[in-house]
Amino acid sequence: DAKTTQPTSMDCAEGRAANLPCNHSTISGNEYVYWYRQIHSQGPQYIIHGLKNNETNEMASLIITEDRKSSTLILPHATLRDTAVYYCIVRVPPMDSNYQLIWGAGTKLIIKP
Amino acid sequence: DGGITQSPKYLFRKEGQNVTLSCEQNLNHDAMYWYRQDPGQGLRLIYYSQIVNDFQKGDIAEGYSVSREKKESFPLTVTSAQKNPTAFYLCASSIDGEWEQYFGPGTRLTVT
Repeated sequence: DAKTTQPTSMDCAEGRAANLPCNHSTISGNEYVYWYRQIHSQGPQYIIHGLKNNETNEMASLIITEDRKSSTLILPHATLRDTAVYYCIVRVPPMDSNYQLIWGAGTKLIIKP
Repeated sequence: DGGITQSPKYLFRKEGQNVTLSCEQNLNHDAMYWYRQDPGQGLRLIYYSQIVNDFQKGDIAEGYSVSREKKESFPLTVTSAQKNPTAFYLCASSIDGEWEQYFGPGTRLTVT
């Protein structure tokens, strides 16, 4: 079973920031939070990952609460091309794992003009 | 351009036939993966391989088989033993021990 809980769907206006929440209340101390997204009928695309500090890259920012029980992915200026299903995943570091990524159903984000 | 190719994009087969899905990567990645995705659901791991001539079962390996004779190639065979083979199949690769998995465009298999 997925170790994360996400809303089924969300809307956001084009040009606004899209904030996607994720609950991972049972996260362990050595588990990282990953985000991927999947545009319809394509392969998923890696977005960002983090452990406990906030992270930012060219695609998004990841805000992790101090207790690490939840996180938020922020797309600062959403465009129509950001319409996709966004998956939040927790996992142990690659070198410590059996390479399993446990995927939930994700959040379907719809960007509206 | 480096990447992962899967072919064909759409595949139709009759029930009881084995079918092999192709996955090729030119990223020089050691690790490769096969996932299955059903409508409205996340991905489930079928098999993965960390190195040539070695592979491990994922959560749903029953009814599937793989081979890893070359670093670049990781074909998946859907056998007649797989009870519900109709699905979207995704292949991915990664640098061994690294975070990011790179995905191919997927193959949509329909068995009737």
